[in-house]
Amino acid sequence: EVQLVESGGGLVQPGGSLRLSCAASGFTFSSYWMSWVRQAPGKGLEWVANIKQDGSEKYYVDSVKGRFTISRDNAKNSLYLQMNSLRAEDTAVYYCARPRYSSGSDAFDIWGQGTMVTVSS
Amino acid sequence: SYVLTQPPSVSVAPGKTARITCGGNNIGSKSVHWYQQKPGQAPVLVIYYDSDRPSGIPERFSGSNSGNTATLTISRVEAGDEADYYCQVWDSSSDHPNVVFGGGTKLTVL
Repeated sequence: EVQLVESGGGLVQPGGSLRLSCAASGFTFSSYWMSWVRQAPGKGLEWVANIKQDGSEKYYVDSVKGRFTISRDNAKNSLYLQMNSLRAEDTAVYYCARPRYSSGSDAFDIWGQGTMVTVSS
Repeated sequence: SYVLTQPPSVSVAPGKTARITCGGNNIGSKSVHWYQQKPGQAPVLVIYYDSDRPSGIPERFSGSNSGNTATLTISRVEAGDEADYYCQVWDSSSDHPNVVFGGGTKLTVL
């Protein structure tokens, strides 16, 4: 079964750090671009970042540039999101998502269940 | 940056047809994807490349895209279709492709 499972969410104080993980299974992880998408409570979906198959290209939404770092370990079939200098507005459910095809610019057909990040003092 | 505009809510009676729009500048030149999200669940892809359905998605779900508006159409609406629906495109106007989501539309089945 094709599956993505996120972990690492929790409560963190403003200015703090958190590292999210996404474990992939059931498909050749190293063949796909991967993305992080977040959803603030009661709000819509917002793409956060994506990373090329070999990690050589990484892109971010402007609001997280310089604070968040996306990475991957293909040997461990895992995707990561290192989040530093967290702000209240980063509070959201964070999903990892896989596009239909390895080209990257495609619809996301596989989503994890999400992990909640709460930034509050 | 590219903006996608959806109505906040759409209401429809069971058995009728629901149409959810997604507006964007010349969106007809882009490929539009649609997601269904029920409370407490991850999004589910229901339409990709304007009008294609993933396996397992009922034929009642269809899509179109032309000019400045893309439309998700749900025929013979059922109570189980009540959910939030999001359109999505890839925008290549900047130095790299960006994912853009619409604000979402809450579909209420009366």
